[in-house]
Amino acid sequence: DSGVTQTPKHLITATGQRVTLRCSPRSGDLSVYWYQQSLDQGLQFLIQYYNGEERAKGNILERFSAQQFPDLHSELNLSSLELGDSALYFCASSVDGKGGQPQHFGDGTRLSIL
Amino acid sequence: AQKITQTQPGMFVQEKEAVTLDCTYDTSDPSYGLFWYKQPSSGEMIFLIYQGSYDQQNATEGRYSLNFQKARKSANLVISASQLGDSAMYFCAMREGVWSASKIIFGSGTRLSIRP
Repeated sequence: DSGVTQTPKHLITATGQRVTLRCSPRSGDLSVYWYQQSLDQGLQFLIQYYNGEERAKGNILERFSAQQFPDLHSELNLSSLELGDSALYFCASSVDGKGGQPQHFGDGTRLSIL
Repeated sequence: AQKITQTQPGMFVQEKEAVTLDCTYDTSDPSYGLFWYKQPSSGEMIFLIYQGSYDQQNATEGRYSLNFQKARKSANLVISASQLGDSAMYFCAMREGVWSASKIIFGSGTRLSIRP
Protein backbone atom coordinates (compact mmCIF):
# COMPACT_ATOMS: atom_id res chain seq x y z
CA ASP A 1 0.00 0.00 0.00
CA SER A 2 1.63 3.24 -1.19
CA GLY A 3 -0.56 5.46 0.97
CA VAL A 4 -1.88 7.34 -2.05
CA THR A 5 -5.64 6.98 -2.47
CA GLN A 6 -7.41 7.41 -5.76
CA THR A 7 -11.15 7.35 -6.31
CA PRO A 8 -13.00 6.00 -8.10
CA LYS A 9 -11.15 2.86 -9.19
CA HIS A 10 -13.24 2.51 -12.31
CA LEU A 11 -15.29 4.99 -14.27
CA ILE A 12 -17.41 4.33 -17.33
CA THR A 13 -18.99 7.22 -19.16
CA ALA A 14 -19.89 8.46 -22.61
CA THR A 15 -18.30 10.82 -25.09
CA GLY A 16 -18.89 14.48 -24.40
CA GLN A 17 -19.26 13.98 -20.66
CA ARG A 18 -17.20 15.42 -17.81
CA VAL A 19 -15.64 13.48 -14.94
CA THR A 20 -13.61 14.28 -11.84
CA LEU A 21 -10.88 12.04 -10.52
CA ARG A 22 -9.77 12.45 -6.95
CA CYS A 23 -6.46 11.84 -5.25
CA SER A 24 -5.38 11.95 -1.62
CA PRO A 25 -1.58 12.02 -1.25
CA ARG A 26 0.42 10.16 1.35
CA SER A 27 0.38 11.78 4.75
CA GLY A 28 3.09 14.44 4.82
CA ASP A 29 3.54 14.66 1.04
CA LEU A 30 3.11 18.13 -0.39
CA SER A 31 3.50 17.40 -4.07
CA VAL A 32 0.97 15.66 -6.30
CA TYR A 33 1.47 14.46 -9.85
CA TRP A 34 -1.02 13.22 -12.44
CA TYR A 35 -0.22 10.74 -15.20
CA GLN A 36 -2.13 9.14 -18.05
CA GLN A 37 -1.28 5.62 -19.17
CA SER A 38 -2.69 4.42 -22.47
CA LEU A 39 -1.68 1.61 -24.79
CA ASP A 40 -0.64 3.86 -27.64
CA GLN A 41 0.93 6.76 -25.69
CA GLY A 42 2.49 4.92 -22.79
CA LEU A 43 2.85 6.71 -19.46
CA GLN A 44 2.51 10.46 -19.91
CA PHE A 45 3.10 13.10 -17.28
CA LEU A 46 0.20 15.53 -17.13
CA ILE A 47 0.73 18.02 -14.33
CA GLN A 48 2.32 18.57 -10.92
CA TYR A 49 1.14 20.58 -7.94
CA TYR A 50 3.15 21.55 -4.92
CA ASN A 51 1.40 22.81 -1.80
CA GLY A 52 -1.53 24.11 -3.82
CA GLU A 53 0.46 25.71 -6.63
CA GLU A 54 0.99 24.39 -10.13
CA ARG A 55 4.67 23.41 -10.42
CA ALA A 56 5.14 21.66 -13.77
CA LYS A 57 3.04 20.94 -16.79
CA GLY A 58 3.36 18.09 -19.24
CA ASN A 59 1.15 16.82 -22.02
CA ILE A 60 -2.11 17.94 -20.51
CA LEU A 61 -4.91 18.79 -22.92
CA GLU A 62 -6.85 22.04 -22.62
CA ARG A 63 -9.98 19.96 -21.94
CA PHE A 64 -8.29 18.72 -18.78
CA SER A 65 -7.69 20.73 -15.65
CA ALA A 66 -6.47 20.00 -12.16
CA GLN A 67 -6.14 21.64 -8.79
CA GLN A 68 -4.74 20.93 -5.37
CA PHE A 69 -6.80 22.01 -2.39
CA PRO A 70 -5.65 23.40 0.98
CA ASP A 71 -5.94 19.93 2.53
CA LEU A 72 -3.54 18.79 -0.24
CA HIS A 73 -5.91 16.45 -1.99
CA SER A 74 -6.09 16.94 -5.73
CA GLU A 75 -8.70 16.59 -8.43
CA LEU A 76 -8.26 16.05 -12.14
CA ASN A 77 -11.18 17.24 -14.24
CA LEU A 78 -11.67 15.82 -17.71
CA SER A 79 -14.30 17.41 -19.93
CA SER A 80 -15.73 16.92 -23.41
CA LEU A 81 -14.51 13.37 -23.20
CA GLU A 82 -13.42 11.56 -26.32
CA LEU A 83 -12.87 7.86 -27.00
CA GLY A 84 -9.13 8.47 -26.96
CA ASP A 85 -9.30 9.63 -23.35
CA SER A 86 -9.88 6.05 -22.24
CA ALA A 87 -6.86 5.26 -20.12
CA LEU A 88 -5.53 4.51 -16.67
CA TYR A 89 -5.01 7.76 -14.75
CA PHE A 90 -2.47 7.70 -11.97
CA CYS A 91 -1.89 10.11 -9.16
CA ALA A 92 1.45 10.11 -7.38
CA SER A 93 2.81 12.09 -4.47
CA SER A 94 6.17 12.98 -3.02
CA VAL A 95 7.38 14.72 0.10
CA ASP A 96 8.27 17.85 -1.80
CA GLY A 97 8.79 18.81 -5.39
CA LYS A 98 12.49 18.05 -5.52
CA GLY A 99 13.68 16.19 -8.56
CA GLY A 100 15.27 13.38 -6.61
CA GLN A 101 12.28 12.50 -4.51
CA PRO A 102 10.65 9.19 -5.42
CA GLN A 103 7.00 9.44 -6.30
CA HIS A 104 4.59 7.01 -4.74
CA PHE A 105 1.72 6.05 -6.99
CA GLY A 106 -1.90 5.33 -6.25
CA ASP A 107 -3.63 2.33 -7.78
CA GLY A 108 -5.07 4.45 -10.57
CA THR A 109 -8.50 5.22 -11.96
CA ARG A 110 -9.43 3.28 -15.06
CA LEU A 111 -11.54 5.49 -17.29
CA SER A 112 -13.53 3.90 -20.09
CA ILE A 113 -15.32 6.07 -22.63
CA LEU A 114 -18.13 4.39 -24.52
CA ALA B 1 15.40 17.50 -25.21
CA GLN B 2 14.68 14.89 -22.60
CA LYS B 3 14.43 11.36 -23.87
CA ILE B 4 14.29 7.90 -22.31
CA THR B 5 14.78 4.76 -24.39
CA GLN B 6 14.08 1.20 -23.35
CA THR B 7 15.02 -1.03 -26.25
CA GLN B 8 13.79 -4.35 -24.85
CA PRO B 9 10.01 -4.65 -25.26
CA GLY B 10 10.05 -8.08 -23.62
CA MET B 11 12.41 -10.45 -21.87
CA PHE B 12 12.24 -14.02 -20.62
CA VAL B 13 14.54 -15.08 -17.82
CA GLN B 14 14.90 -18.30 -15.85
CA GLU B 15 14.07 -18.09 -12.16
CA LYS B 16 17.08 -17.37 -9.92
CA GLU B 17 19.10 -15.88 -12.76
CA ALA B 18 20.17 -12.26 -12.76
CA VAL B 19 18.62 -9.95 -15.32
CA THR B 20 19.59 -6.57 -16.71
CA LEU B 21 16.99 -4.20 -18.10
CA ASP B 22 18.41 -1.53 -20.37
CA CYS B 23 17.71 2.18 -20.20
CA THR B 24 19.43 4.99 -22.04
CA TYR B 25 18.62 8.63 -21.66
CA ASP B 26 19.38 11.96 -23.22
CA THR B 27 19.48 15.33 -21.52
CA SER B 28 21.47 18.53 -21.70
CA ASP B 29 20.90 19.32 -18.02
CA PRO B 30 23.86 18.33 -15.80
CA SER B 31 21.47 17.77 -12.91
CA TYR B 32 18.91 15.02 -13.26
CA GLY B 33 17.45 12.00 -11.57
CA LEU B 34 16.73 8.55 -12.89
CA PHE B 35 14.06 6.22 -11.53
CA TRP B 36 12.89 2.68 -12.06
CA TYR B 37 9.33 1.56 -11.46
CA LYS B 38 7.68 -1.84 -11.56
CA GLN B 39 4.12 -2.35 -12.76
CA PRO B 40 2.69 -5.82 -12.05
CA SER B 41 -0.32 -7.10 -13.95
CA SER B 42 -2.52 -5.73 -11.18
CA GLY B 43 -1.65 -2.26 -12.47
CA GLU B 44 -0.07 -0.40 -9.57
CA MET B 45 3.23 1.44 -10.03
CA ILE B 46 5.89 0.54 -7.49
CA PHE B 47 9.00 2.66 -6.98
CA LEU B 48 12.15 0.55 -7.04
CA ILE B 49 15.28 2.67 -7.12
CA TYR B 50 16.66 6.15 -7.73
CA GLN B 51 19.99 7.46 -9.04
CA GLY B 52 21.01 11.11 -9.02
CA SER B 53 23.32 12.45 -11.67
CA TYR B 54 25.85 13.57 -9.07
CA ASP B 55 25.77 10.38 -7.04
CA GLN B 56 29.22 8.86 -6.96
CA GLN B 57 28.09 5.31 -6.33
CA ASN B 58 25.57 3.12 -8.06
CA ALA B 59 22.27 2.91 -6.20
CA THR B 60 21.25 -0.37 -4.62
CA GLU B 61 18.02 -1.46 -2.95
CA GLY B 62 17.94 -5.07 -1.88
CA ARG B 63 17.99 -7.25 -5.01
CA TYR B 64 17.85 -4.18 -7.24
CA SER B 65 20.87 -2.22 -8.35
CA LEU B 66 21.31 0.47 -10.91
CA ASN B 67 24.28 0.26 -13.26
CA PHE B 68 24.82 3.96 -13.89
CA GLN B 69 27.23 4.82 -16.69
CA LYS B 70 27.09 8.57 -16.99
CA ALA B 71 29.37 8.95 -19.99
CA ARG B 72 27.30 6.45 -21.94
CA LYS B 73 24.04 7.92 -20.60
CA SER B 74 22.78 4.58 -19.48
CA ALA B 75 21.01 3.54 -16.30
CA ASN B 76 20.39 -0.17 -16.47
CA LEU B 77 18.43 -1.97 -13.76
CA VAL B 78 19.95 -5.19 -12.49
CA ILE B 79 17.78 -7.66 -10.62
CA SER B 80 19.75 -10.37 -8.88
CA ALA B 81 18.38 -13.85 -8.22
CA SER B 82 15.10 -13.26 -10.05
CA GLN B 83 11.85 -14.54 -8.58
CA LEU B 84 8.49 -15.41 -10.12
CA GLY B 85 7.06 -12.29 -8.50
CA ASP B 86 9.43 -10.15 -10.54
CA SER B 87 7.31 -10.78 -13.64
CA ALA B 88 5.98 -7.32 -14.51
CA MET B 89 6.47 -4.26 -16.70
CA TYR B 90 9.47 -2.16 -15.74
CA PHE B 91 9.70 1.52 -16.54
CA CYS B 92 12.73 3.78 -16.52
CA ALA B 93 12.03 7.47 -15.91
CA MET B 94 13.97 10.72 -15.77
CA ARG B 95 13.50 14.15 -14.32
CA GLU B 96 15.78 17.07 -15.04
CA GLY B 97 16.90 19.42 -12.29
CA VAL B 98 17.15 19.02 -8.53
CA TRP B 99 14.51 21.50 -7.48
CA SER B 100 12.78 21.50 -10.74
CA ALA B 101 9.63 22.46 -12.47
CA SER B 102 10.45 20.13 -15.31
CA LYS B 103 8.30 17.27 -16.38
CA ILE B 104 9.08 13.64 -15.74
CA ILE B 105 9.29 11.35 -18.71
CA PHE B 106 8.97 7.58 -18.82
CA GLY B 107 10.36 5.03 -21.23
CA SER B 108 8.10 2.66 -23.10
CA GLY B 109 8.80 -0.14 -20.65
CA THR B 110 10.15 -3.68 -20.69
CA ARG B 111 7.91 -6.62 -19.95
CA LEU B 112 9.87 -9.12 -17.88
CA SER B 113 8.66 -12.69 -17.61
CA ILE B 114 10.31 -15.08 -15.17
CA ARG B 115 10.20 -18.76 -16.09
CA PRO B 116 10.03 -21.36 -13.25
